[in-house]
Amino acid sequence: DTAVSQTPKYLVTQMGNDKSIKCEQNLGHDTMYWYKQDSKKFLKIMFSYNNKELIINETVPNRFSPKSPDKAHLNLHINSLELGDSAVYFCASSLRGSGANVLTFGAGSRLTVL
Amino acid sequence: QQQVKQSPQSLIVQKGGIPIINCAYENTAFDYFPWYQQFPGKGPALLIAIRPDVSEKKEGRFTISFNKSAKQFSLHIMDSQPGDSATYFCAASRRDDKIIFGKGTRLHILP
Repeated sequence: DTAVSQTPKYLVTQMGNDKSIKCEQNLGHDTMYWYKQDSKKFLKIMFSYNNKELIINETVPNRFSPKSPDKAHLNLHINSLELGDSAVYFCASSLRGSGANVLTFGAGSRLTVL
Repeated sequence: QQQVKQSPQSLIVQKGGIPIINCAYENTAFDYFPWYQQFPGKGPALLIAIRPDVSEKKEGRFTISFNKSAKQFSLHIMDSQPGDSATYFCAASRRDDKIIFGKGTRLHILP
């Protein structure tokens, strides 16, 4: 059973389109994240939700909108896609209050905007 | 003050050698320092972590050395193998606050 699963794994789309990436975790964690990894491998946090509540919202264009229907799911919707949005997007989860912020990552969703 | 500076960006080592990756931080409130390992096409995964009350931690062939006064920590890989070729990220956090990642080191172990 995959602990943090993301779909789709690959996404190729045209500029201006709208797309979504879904994430689910079965670890019983209460906090979920979206990270963006660019071609240089830099890992940049975008959003974090704790028990469905937004707790981290980094400087991200408002074309990106996260949604957490429950603490096991965190989706990312992107409007009006731009070339610079091409990257690998990672979902991750952790358990707050455990004394150490240990992240479990999904396998990533590679987004290519043409 | 929130940055974690990691070097080198890339590293090539012969099999059996000891690659060393270095990181430095500014925020003395950080109390947890993990290293993540990422293979191509996969997400990062926790490799080993240390708290500032110890100067060294070993897990198998991987060792973290921690220098609290210098605000530096490093990862050493003993008897490195081609299978260790990956991107390594150091990181720092304070309790449940967000993790701050270094920019990563691409390590290649030659057979």
